[in-house]
Amino acid sequence: DAGVIQSPRHEVTEMGQEVTLRCKPISGHDYLFWYRQTMMRGLELLIYFNNNVPIDDSGMPEDRFSAKMPNASFSTLKIQPSEPRDSAVYFCASSFYGAPGRAGELFFGEGSRLTVL
Amino acid sequence: GENVEQHPSTLSVQEGDSAVIKCTYSDSASNYFPWYKQELGKGPQLIIDIRSNVGEKKDQRIAVTLNKTAKHFSLHITETQPEDSAVYFCAASRGNNNDMRFGAGTRLTVKP
Repeated sequence: DAGVIQSPRHEVTEMGQEVTLRCKPISGHDYLFWYRQTMMRGLELLIYFNNNVPIDDSGMPEDRFSAKMPNASFSTLKIQPSEPRDSAVYFCASSFYGAPGRAGELFFGEGSRLTVL
Repeated sequence: GENVEQHPSTLSVQEGDSAVIKCTYSDSASNYFPWYKQELGKGPQLIIDIRSNVGEKKDQRIAVTLNKTAKHFSLHITETQPEDSAVYFCAASRGNNNDMRFGAGTRLTVKP
């Protein structure tokens, strides 16, 4: 398996522009997570999906952020309009839940580094 | 909610020496404690994890210890090698990936 695939790896954009980050989880995984990593705040969970359904988006910082998972093999994280403080590395991760309460390994993609000028 | 504190933030050791990274957590209901390694330009990767029913787990040069009473757990790397240089994150959860909280990370440098 190729692992979790994210695109683009790097994105530089100007304030006010729309940004779309993409993720392909590992086949067969039923959970998908979007994380944001910054020096100041570390790894923050933004939103997660179970079987393509958004379960908890309480980590999404503002209404400018939205995420979708139209099918089991694709998810997007959109920022519109983007601001300089959105600059960070965004990670997608997927996992397979063996049983309730039995957390397992999170498989992370290589991340999308976003710079908003 | 859970709060995970990690120390030190940076650690430099000589090749062959041991490295120890410590984490404390606040939620007594947490029962799953993974450690992730993040190499430059990559995503974090699980290297070892421990559940609350054991106090220690070892995998070759890596070991993790857990003290539930004191609510702290540690990562031990013995016979360090330059390829161990990376950022290491601890995490804690109640057993669900969605409530996992990560520490701030420790940048480990192993000098040849």
